[in-house]
Amino acid sequence: SAVISQKPSRDICQRGTSLTIQCQVDSQVTMMFWYRQQPGQSLTLIATANQGSEATYESGFVIDKFPISRPNLTFSTLTVSNMSPEDSSIYLCSVVRLAGSLLTHNEQFFGPGTRLTVL
Amino acid sequence: GENVEQHPSTLSVQEGDSAVIKCTYSDSASNYFPWYKQELGKRPQLIIDIRSNVGEKKDQRIAVTLNKTAKHFSLHITETQPEDSAVYFCAASIGSSNTGKLIFGQGTTLQVKP
Repeated sequence: SAVISQKPSRDICQRGTSLTIQCQVDSQVTMMFWYRQQPGQSLTLIATANQGSEATYESGFVIDKFPISRPNLTFSTLTVSNMSPEDSSIYLCSVVRLAGSLLTHNEQFFGPGTRLTVL
Repeated sequence: GENVEQHPSTLSVQEGDSAVIKCTYSDSASNYFPWYKQELGKRPQLIIDIRSNVGEKKDQRIAVTLNKTAKHFSLHITETQPEDSAVYFCAASIGSSNTGKLIFGQGTTLQVKP
């Protein structure tokens, strides 16, 4: 599995501000994703971070609220913009490293998460 | 849209007993089904997965079965131990193309009593 780190591990922010979360992987990966996990809930996919191009967002998530960058194959950032208390969640990045045929799904691993509290 | 239903939401078993968690999915094109274990305050950890070309896969005390016709898949844990206590999530690939995207079930909180 890949070694994945996220910064910060947690933060407490005031409403109306923005926070940028970083995800770093120790080796080149084909795919990187950002998920949200609200307290006591399951994981919801926010977007696919595409290297060198705009991220692909899932229904209910927009670029203005969650801008994402992926400048290279090992690093991505997610910004939570104009925060409100409803944005309080754990934000996780995940990666898929191509380990077999292009026709098969490859294992997906998660970073340690960033616990965000918005006051 | 695509959906994954997971049952039960909570499960309590005695140490040594078996535990079964069931999921159903809606997208008939899904062909990859991983299971994750999440301990309190930790990241989800991949514990086993199955692809649509097989019906069953085992790894020591853990097994997963898949019924593509019925769009059901299940996690079986035998000889449960207190350290198996955690939240378990099933997931299904979104579509059959290699996008890597997953949709997750709602989670099952497993408690193994010593």
